[in-house]
Amino acid sequence: AQTVTQSQPEMSVQEAETVTLSCTYDTSENNYYLFWYKQPPSRQMILVIRQEAYKQQNATENRFSVNFQKAAKSFSLKISDSQLGDTAMYFCAFMKDTGGFKTIFGAGTRLFVKA
Amino acid sequence: GAGVSQSPRYKVAKRGQDVALRCDPISGHVSLFWYQQALGQGPEFLTYFQNEAQLDKSGLPSDRFFAERPEGSVSTLKIQRTQQEDSAVYLCASSLAQKRYEQYFGPGTRLTVT
Repeated sequence: AQTVTQSQPEMSVQEAETVTLSCTYDTSENNYYLFWYKQPPSRQMILVIRQEAYKQQNATENRFSVNFQKAAKSFSLKISDSQLGDTAMYFCAFMKDTGGFKTIFGAGTRLFVKA
Repeated sequence: GAGVSQSPRYKVAKRGQDVALRCDPISGHVSLFWYQQALGQGPEFLTYFQNEAQLDKSGLPSDRFFAERPEGSVSTLKIQRTQQEDSAVYLCASSLAQKRYEQYFGPGTRLTVT
């Protein structure tokens, strides 16, 4: 069975600074997807970034980038130039590529961006 | 176009009552997912539909939980004889069939069982 672990329940960062959220996972699959989702206080879950396991290049989306270490089963999210609107819960998640219906989520990291 | 919508947004039920939660996916999205999110936790998968077919219901916690999608669009999650441990936010997500990795989430229904 797959598991996703986020070891940082809460983090805070000063506006305009950089913060890194950690995630580790466990799987015996070779092909899969990893995700970071953002859930603001309004509760609508939004996809921040996605990484395909077969791709060696780390995914980036504007101020958001990941450090994907397949052998170490590590998938961290870096947020650059943090903005007040980045305040939210962030969930790391996993989905198998073939025959994958379930998305497995971590417990989340609550991020506070301070002015 | 419109996103995924869910109704009601909030539901309070007395223990033992039956509830029905509705999800309207994005038009044209074949895949539909239900998740349960307990307070302070990440979402947990409940069930998956492809069109009207329920292909995976392994996450449903008990036989009191039932989901349907009879015409392949709107889906309803029904919980019978609600219990306090059913209190949670129920999230619905939809996607194109070929892009199950690209799920769009609704705002959720917060169920409180008293």
